[in-house]
Order: sequence, then structure tokens, then C-alpha cells
Amino acid sequence: AQSVSQHNHHVILSEAASLELGCNYSYGGTVNLFWYVQYPGQHLQLLLKYFSGDPLVKGIKGFEAEFIKSKFSFNLRKPSVQWSDTAEYFCAVKGQAGTALIFGKGTTLSVSS
Amino acid sequence: KAGVTQTPRYLIKTRGQQVTLSCSPISGHRSVSWYQQTPGQGLQFLFEYFSETQRNKGNFPGRFSGRQFSNSRSEMNVSTLELGDSALYLCASSLAHRNLNTEAFFGQGTRLTVV
Repeated sequence: AQSVSQHNHHVILSEAASLELGCNYSYGGTVNLFWYVQYPGQHLQLLLKYFSGDPLVKGIKGFEAEFIKSKFSFNLRKPSVQWSDTAEYFCAVKGQAGTALIFGKGTTLSVSS
Repeated sequence: KAGVTQTPRYLIKTRGQQVTLSCSPISGHRSVSWYQQTPGQGLQFLFEYFSETQRNKGNFPGRFSGRQFSNSRSEMNVSTLELGDSALYLCASSLAHRNLNTEAFFGQGTRLTVV
């Protein structure tokens, strides 16, 4: 069965600091990879996605993620965080063969101004 | 284009009761998935429906069930509620469940409190 592991449970940063959130998955086949964000009181929104092609994908609000197939990783990055990036971030994987979309346990990001 | 609509938004139930939650997907989306979200556990997958058939099932007891109608709307039911069932239940819709590179869109969720 597929699974997703997010390395950090809670990350605390100051504004302008760089961000990297780790995500590793286990699945034997071809996958689609996602990062979702949940701002306080709001519903889950897609931040970025990887289906195929260039392993470096860019999403909204200056976020990017790199798919490293050999490491089964899909880490999220942002060069300079803002207070408004305070949210919970979820990594998710879906096998292209039709398996379920499975999420990691999430990372809470707190950014202080 | 309307998003994913979940009703009701909030529910308070007593232990032992049953509850039914509803989800209307985005128009044209035929796949509906359900998740349970609790602090520290993230989103745990319950089940996925496509064309009125359950395609995937998570590791939840049989008290949790669901169904999908011909218009793609979906319901999930939890019988014999336990205190531990208190959670935010999220519904997500997507165009298809396999082969297409599609993303899932989430509703606001139904907050269930069991007392």
C-alpha cells in the first residue's frame, strides 16, 4: 500500500527565511504528486502538482517542489516566506493506476513577522 | 463554476447515533473521495467512488460506509457513533479516478462532534 511521510510536524520561521518541507512516499508504480495547503479556517487548496516531465514544478505564491524519483521524494521549497504563508501543508500521492489519493500527516508552518 | 459543496457544515451527535453527510461534486466530476481529518493524523482516506462504484477503500471499520448516486453526488454514513469519530470530514471531487492527470478539489468539510 502506498504511504506518505512528512518529515516535519511543526516548523517555525521568521519572515524572509527560506523554507523546505520534506516529503517521501512509498509506491511501486508511476505517481502523481501534490502539495496542498490549508490556511486557518479555509478549505484545502492545491499548491502545486507533478504529473510528468520537468521534475521541478512551480506553484502558486512562489512555491516550488522537486521530484527526485530515485529518492521517492517531493520536497516543497520557498526562498522567502511571508507571514501569510502560515498554514498547514500536506503532501499527497496518487498512483496513476487508479489508487487513492493518500496524504501525509501534514506540517504546520508558523511564520512570525 | 460552483465548487465542492458539503452539507451540513456542522453536526453534533450523541454516541450510538448514526449520521449521514452529503457531498455535491463540481459539475462534470465523476470521482468523489472522502477523508477524515483530525489533529496530528492529517487526512485519512475513507473511500473513493466513481460511476456509483466504490473504487478504493481505506482502513476504517464497517461502521463507515458510503454511496454515490447517478448524478455523482455522494453520501457517507457513520453508524453507532463513537467519541473518536469526532473530526472534520472532507469530500474531494475530480474528473476521473485513473489514467487522467487530474487534481482533487476539496469542499469546506463537515465538522462532526460526538458527545
